Amino acid sequence: EAQVTQNPRYLITVTGKKLTVTCSQNMNHEYMSWYRQDPGLGLRQIYYSMNVEVTDKGDVPEGYKVSRKEKRNFPLILESPSPNQTSLYFCASTYLGSGTGVYNEQFFGPGTRLTVL
Amino acid sequence: QKEVEQNSGPLSVPEGAIASLNCTYSDRGSQSFFWYRQYSGKSPELIMFIYSNGDKEDGRFTAQLNKASQYVSLLIRDSQPSDSATYLCAVNEDYQAGTALIFGKGTTLSVSS
Repeated sequence: EAQVTQNPRYLITVTGKKLTVTCSQNMNHEYMSWYRQDPGLGLRQIYYSMNVEVTDKGDVPEGYKVSRKEKRNFPLILESPSPNQTSLYFCASTYLGSGTGVYNEQFFGPGTRLTVL
Repeated sequence: QKEVEQNSGPLSVPEGAIASLNCTYSDRGSQSFFWYRQYSGKSPELIMFIYSNGDKEDGRFTAQLNKASQYVSLLIRDSQPSDSATYLCAVNEDYQAGTALIFGKGTTLSVSS
C-alpha cells in the first residue's frame, strides 16, 4: 500500500529534550515536506526537500532541523523543543515527474501530535 | 508573499443541499489547484485537483477554476453529514523550480441532518 508513515503519532515531552519525528514514504517520491498545523493559522511549511541531500527552509523553520540521507526518509529534529512548538505535525511527499496525468498532488502522513511542557 | 484566501466559515448547509466553497490566490503563475478535505485531528486527503479553466466533475464534487479572476471553487452536491469537515484549498506554481504547495487556512463545512 502506497503511504507516508510518521512516528510517533503522539508525543509529550519537556522543554529542551531533543526529539526526532520520523517520516517515511514508499512511493519513491522525490519531494518531501514537513508542515505544522495550528488553530487559526492553517498548514505552514517548516522544511522541504527536493531530493536526497537537498533541503530548504519553508515558512517557519526556526527551531527545527531536517536531513535527507535516503530518498524514503525525511526526519524532523527538534534540538531543544519549546512550548511554542506544541502543534500537529504532518509529513508529506510528492512525485515530481511531469506529463499526462501527473498533477503533483501531495500525500500526507497521519500526523504527529506533539506537546512540549 | 504568495497567498491563498478562504473564508474560515463555518459554512452551514442542510443535508441534500449544495455547498459552495471558494478560494482566491495571489500568484498568477500558479498552475495546479487542489482541494483537500480534513477531518478534525486527521491528515488532509485529496478530493479534487484542477489545472485548466472551467469545471471538473467527480461524483458529487465539482471544481471550478477561473485563472483570469484567480478564483477556484468547490461545489458539493447532495451534501451529507459525512461531508462535515474542513476543506483546504491549495495551489502550486512549479515543484520543479522548488516552489511549494501553498495552502489556504481552510473553510469549515457543517452539514446538518
